Amino acid sequence: GENVEQHPSTLSVQEGDSAVIKCTYSDSASNYFPWYKQELGKGPQLIIDIRSNVGEKKDQRIAVTLNKTAKHFSLHITETQPEDSAVYFCAAMETSYDKVIFGPGTSLSVIP
Amino acid sequence: EPEVTQTPSHQVTQMGQEVILRCVPISNHLYFYWYRQILGQKVEFLVSFYNNEISEKSEIFDDQFSVERPDGSNFTLKIRSTKLEDSAMYFCASSAPRDREVTGELFFGEGSRLTVL
Repeated sequence: GENVEQHPSTLSVQEGDSAVIKCTYSDSASNYFPWYKQELGKGPQLIIDIRSNVGEKKDQRIAVTLNKTAKHFSLHITETQPEDSAVYFCAAMETSYDKVIFGPGTSLSVIP
Repeated sequence: EPEVTQTPSHQVTQMGQEVILRCVPISNHLYFYWYRQILGQKVEFLVSFYNNEISEKSEIFDDQFSVERPDGSNFTLKIRSTKLEDSAMYFCASSAPRDREVTGELFFGEGSRLTVL
């Protein structure tokens, strides 16, 4: 089955700097790659996603890149703010929608 | 805005007891899921449910677990005989709105924290 790896497990940046989180997946059939943000005591919430027919997608300060050949994808957050502090999960899914497999998570701390 | 709701928010139970966690998915969604998150760890897939039957399940979802959609709005997770290692946050999620383009986005509830003593 699908296995998603994620690095780093913790990341600390100064406010205003960029943060990059990297993920790899194992199943070449996966073609949908969402990123979820989880704040303390809450459920994960989608922040951005990318499909396998696209190499890059951007939404304001957040961007995601996908290299399907290498089976890795990355999240880039620019101009980080303290409210970006949370745990971020990458995930991978096939179009059957049966199962979304999450990476182990990255705890991001943005220091004011 | 429609949301996934879960009850109870926290349940404490004795080892060996049965527990039922309840979820009300977003009403026009077609897929329902249960995930588990042990404190500080990854969000683990348990089971997906579509068209009134289990669509996919993980190796965690053994005979002690079952899911049901008893009345067209609720989606329940039952743990038959709880073990200490079942202590975790359980998240319900739904996806695939019937009347719009399917994006794959999962909408999660706030979770039910299960503590097994």
